[in-house]
Amino acid sequence: QQPVQSPQAVILREGEDAVINCSSSKALYSVHWYRQKHGEAPVFLMILLKGGEQKGHEKISASFNEKKQQSSLYLTASQLSYSGTYFCGTDDNTDKLIFGTGTRLQVFP
Amino acid sequence: SAVISQKPSRDICQRGTSLTIQCQVDSQVTMMFWYRQQPGQSLTLIATANQGSEATYESGFVIDKFPISRPNLTFSTLTVSNMSPEDSSIYLCSVQRGMNTEAFFGQGTRLTVV
Repeated sequence: QQPVQSPQAVILREGEDAVINCSSSKALYSVHWYRQKHGEAPVFLMILLKGGEQKGHEKISASFNEKKQQSSLYLTASQLSYSGTYFCGTDDNTDKLIFGTGTRLQVFP
Repeated sequence: SAVISQKPSRDICQRGTSLTIQCQVDSQVTMMFWYRQQPGQSLTLIATANQGSEATYESGFVIDKFPISRPNLTFSTLTVSNMSPEDSSIYLCSVQRGMNTEAFFGQGTRLTVV
């Protein structure tokens, strides 16, 4: 079943912060985060593993609550380049990524 | 990292015909996947392309409609068979070197069926 992301869309001014949430109905082994700009392929941001390990972007942080099967992506001091659609990708230990519903982020000057 | 070449980048096809999409990776990878993305929507996993054996399809996708080949660890093809306008979408190839590693994507194939 597809993970649900919230909010569906966010509009920010440069410098503002945002939080994007990802919730799954299944027990998760890891959560990935990707950003996709219009007409381009998704680009990797971060992986969060069961047990607390994180790998990824220096300027973006995230959390993973294994018990609640939820992850949150924190975007601080947003820049124009942050605009795009954000997807979480979840792995329930089946060796494949299932992507969430997506969150469209727009940052304006 | 992994560099993926996906061809064609776009095509317009007649209904009832088939299109084969190619995915070439610059180095050997164990995990290769095919996704579909409708405009403005999320990525939907079609199947896992297994080297040397039949692909593993997700619910709602069948081999007769989306046959997949993976003859080696650097190459795979996805065929969209007997196309209808509902097959119009972007098809993406993705690879990973391991489950806890980042996924890399091809640039996608934008398919329009008329």
